[in-house]
Amino acid sequence: QQQVKQSPQSLIVQKGGISIINCAYENTAFDYFPWYQQFPGKGPALLIAIRPDVSEKKEGRFTISFNKSAKQFSLHIMDSQPGDSATYFCAASGGTNAGKSTFGDGTTLTVKP
Amino acid sequence: DAGITQSPRHKVTETGTPVTLRCHQTENHRYMYWYRQDPGHGLRLIHYSYGVKDTDKGEVSDGYSVSRSKTEDFLLTLESATSSQTSVYFCAISEPGDEQYFGPGTRLTVT
Repeated sequence: QQQVKQSPQSLIVQKGGISIINCAYENTAFDYFPWYQQFPGKGPALLIAIRPDVSEKKEGRFTISFNKSAKQFSLHIMDSQPGDSATYFCAASGGTNAGKSTFGDGTTLTVKP
Repeated sequence: DAGITQSPRHKVTETGTPVTLRCHQTENHRYMYWYRQDPGHGLRLIHYSYGVKDTDKGEVSDGYSVSRSKTEDFLLTLESATSSQTSVYFCAISEPGDEQYFGPGTRLTVT
């Protein structure tokens, strides 16, 4: 079964600190790796995504690092803010069924003031 | 926001009754999905559709059926609701290999 393993399950960071969430995948045919952010009572929304032709993508305080050989990718949130407190999901898709994504189990991030 | 709505937004029903949730999109995206979200389990795919009348099972499809007779509508039916189907249900849409856009969710309680 195709899986994406996400860690940690929960994370507490002080304001201004760096939050790091990691994901590992198995299927080498995956070619799209998004991160979704979900606030309580809302649906997930795309935060940032990467394709395997690059090893890093940065958008503001959010960076994805991608290691194709290790089949791992991670989300880094620099200068974490209380407003970043949310649940984060990594996902992966591609290969013979490009329309179907596999999601990690999610990480609940709490940023303390 | 992507044009995706879900109805109803909240529903309480009794065990054994049929329930239908509706997802409607205005984006003309090819793929539509139904997920359930439960504490500790993240997002689990129930069924998805890759075109009108084209559907396939996800990882937790038992007890659920779907239909897509029009591009814009994707229905999820619980033929006989059980307490284990109490959950938050999300619909999503996408083009192949691209991001998914999620609806606002439906909170279903089966008593």
